[in-house]
Amino acid sequence: AQKITQTQPGMFVQEKEAVTLDCTYDTSDQSYGLFWYKQPSSGEMIFLIYQGSYDEQNATEGRYSLNFQKARKSANLVISASQLGDSAMYFCAMRFARYYSGGGADGLTFGKGTHLIIQP
Amino acid sequence: DGGITQSPKYLFRKEGQNVTLSCEQNLNHDAMYWYRQDPGQGLRLIYYSQIVNDFQKGDIAEGYSVSREKKESFPLTVTSAQKNPTAFYLCASAPRDRGLNTEAFFGQGTRLTVV
Repeated sequence: AQKITQTQPGMFVQEKEAVTLDCTYDTSDQSYGLFWYKQPSSGEMIFLIYQGSYDEQNATEGRYSLNFQKARKSANLVISASQLGDSAMYFCAMRFARYYSGGGADGLTFGKGTHLIIQP
Repeated sequence: DGGITQSPKYLFRKEGQNVTLSCEQNLNHDAMYWYRQDPGQGLRLIYYSQIVNDFQKGDIAEGYSVSREKKESFPLTVTSAQKNPTAFYLCASAPRDRGLNTEAFFGQGTRLTVV
C-alpha cells in the first residue's frame, strides 16, 4: 500500500527564517508525482509545488522549493524567508501512475499534514 | 472569477437526517472530487467523477451518495447511514488527461456538525 508520512504535527518558526517541512513516502512504483498544498484557516487547499519522479532538477516556485531525494523517498518542502502569512497547515500528497486514469486527483494520497506557525 | 463554490460553509444536522452539500465549479473541468478531512488527518477520498453521469467510489464511500447530472455540479449527500458524519468536507475539480502533474483545485469547504 502507498503511504505518505509527515512526521512534524506542528512547528513554530521565527519570521524570516527558512522552514523545512518533512515528507517521506513508501511506494514501489517508479512513476509518481509529488505535490505540496497549503491550507490556511479559511479551509481551501492551495497548490504550491509539484515534482515528478523522473524530474532531475528539484522544483522551485518563488519562495518554495522541493528537496527531492528519490533514493531516500523524501520530498521535503523548503520555504525561504518565512512570512506571517505562511502560517497554515501544509500537506504532502502523491499521485501514482498506475492509479491515474485521466482525472486530476485520482489516486491522490495525502499525508496528515504539518501545522506551521510563524512567529513575529 | 473562475473557481469552485461550496455551500453552505457551516451546516448542522440532526442525527438520522440526510443532508446535501453543494459543489459548483465554473472552471470547465471534467473531473470532480469529494474529500473528507478530520482533525489531525489528511484528506480521504469519498467519491469522484470524471465525466457527467458517471462517478466512482473512493476510499470511504459508505454512507455517502453523489450525482453528476451537470458538468458544473457535483452534490454530495451525507445519509443517515454515515456513522460519524461530523467533519470538514472539501470539493475539488481538475481537467482530465493532462498528466501526473495536473493539480486539483479546491473549494473552501463545508464544515458539517451532527447535533
